[in-house]
Amino acid sequence: SQQGEEDPQALSIQEGENATMNCSYKTSINNLQWYRQNSGRGLVHLILIRSNEREKHSGRLRVTLDTSKKSSSLLITASRAADTASYFCATEHRGNMLTFGGGTRLMVKP
Amino acid sequence: DVKVTQSSRYLVKRTGEKVFLECVQDMDHENMFWYRQDPGLGLRLIYFSYDVKMKEKGDIPEGYSVSREKKERFSLILESASTNQTSMYLCASSFGGGANQPQHFGDGTRLSIL
Repeated sequence: SQQGEEDPQALSIQEGENATMNCSYKTSINNLQWYRQNSGRGLVHLILIRSNEREKHSGRLRVTLDTSKKSSSLLITASRAADTASYFCATEHRGNMLTFGGGTRLMVKP
Repeated sequence: DVKVTQSSRYLVKRTGEKVFLECVQDMDHENMFWYRQDPGLGLRLIYFSYDVKMKEKGDIPEGYSVSREKKERFSLILESASTNQTSMYLCASSFGGGANQPQHFGDGTRLSIL
């Protein structure tokens, strides 16, 4: 099945810096979603961007979507230690079924 | 806030046992999902239900079955547990109003098959 691919697989930054994660996918989508997972916990929905949108903001999060390149990026500005988590992109192709990528592990050092 | 509750955080079972994982959501969501999560493989969809008594196979249904007798409850069944089913299992739910709905996840069940 098609799958989003995140890049990088792991990212380590200092508190206050910006973190950028990228996601690529293979076929047309209804939307692309980003989720966060703290260690040993379930996923938490962060933001959803529809296929006809190019950019979306939510607090310190900025998501872009380029359907011509089949790619998306998640930018976390002014990162905090509490942002340390794994981040997953997921693409919706039909109904409400999602296909997840392998995730980016983000570590924010205080 | 939506609450998705999985009955166990940790579970240890033996090879060949029949294993039940339970999931309950409190937001009257039509859709419910079961995923397994393995290192390096992300989340993979096992089964999906869009209504009571309705189910659809996901990407990796082999060795699993599901039951949805009530709207709020979705059970995953390992018919005869094997060691390769050791994994983190995540349940999720979403509103059934078509596309563009976020999914809400439980905290997962870490299942070990010995």
